[in-house]
Amino acid sequence: GDSVTQMEGPVTLSEEAFLTINCTYTATGYPSLFWYVQYPGEGLQLLLKATKADDKGSNKGFEATYRKETTSFHLEKGSVQVSDSAVYFCALSRSSASKIIFGSGTRLSIRP
Amino acid sequence: ETGVTQTPRHLVMGMTNKKSLKCEQHLGHNAMYWYKQSAKKPLELMFVYSLEERVENNSVPSRFSPECPNSSHLFLHLHTLQPEDSALYLCASSQGAVANTGELFFGEGSRLTVL
Repeated sequence: GDSVTQMEGPVTLSEEAFLTINCTYTATGYPSLFWYVQYPGEGLQLLLKATKADDKGSNKGFEATYRKETTSFHLEKGSVQVSDSAVYFCALSRSSASKIIFGSGTRLSIRP
Repeated sequence: ETGVTQTPRHLVMGMTNKKSLKCEQHLGHNAMYWYKQSAKKPLELMFVYSLEERVENNSVPSRFSPECPNSSHLFLHLHTLQPEDSALYLCASSQGAVANTGELFFGEGSRLTVL
């Protein structure tokens, strides 16, 4: 079945460091891919998405490129801030499905 | 009230208790979802309701019973739970087919502890 695998956390970085959180997926066809973020004490919210191969999603300085050949959707940010500390979830959906499938989440902590 | 609201935020119950989680969305959406969030596990979809009809039921034990009386409200009735059911239960809503937009709107969750 469809699944999403993302790097285990926690990931701890210093402010202004470069961030990469790896995500790979298994799915039939051409799924849409998403990154969601969960700030402390809050629900998940959509960060960015890409709906076809080679698309790049971006928001709040974060980017991720849909790589069909490597079945990956890695999240990157050039210079992280303390306010980026949160749990990040990679996810996918297929056009024929009524649901979004999530990974296990990666906790990110940024030191001042 | 805006967005998706869940009550209670925290719940502690014994294995023989009966309790309910409530979710209310103020976004005019027509689909609602229950997810279970456990540490170091993928977010687990439990139930999906579209236009108040259940369209997805992912082999969830019968001790969890959903109810969707209208498009704005969703309940999760709990009875004779097990300690391994302790988790954060998240409610979400969407407008139309989630696969098209990918955008779910989540509540803050109900933290359940089963003693």
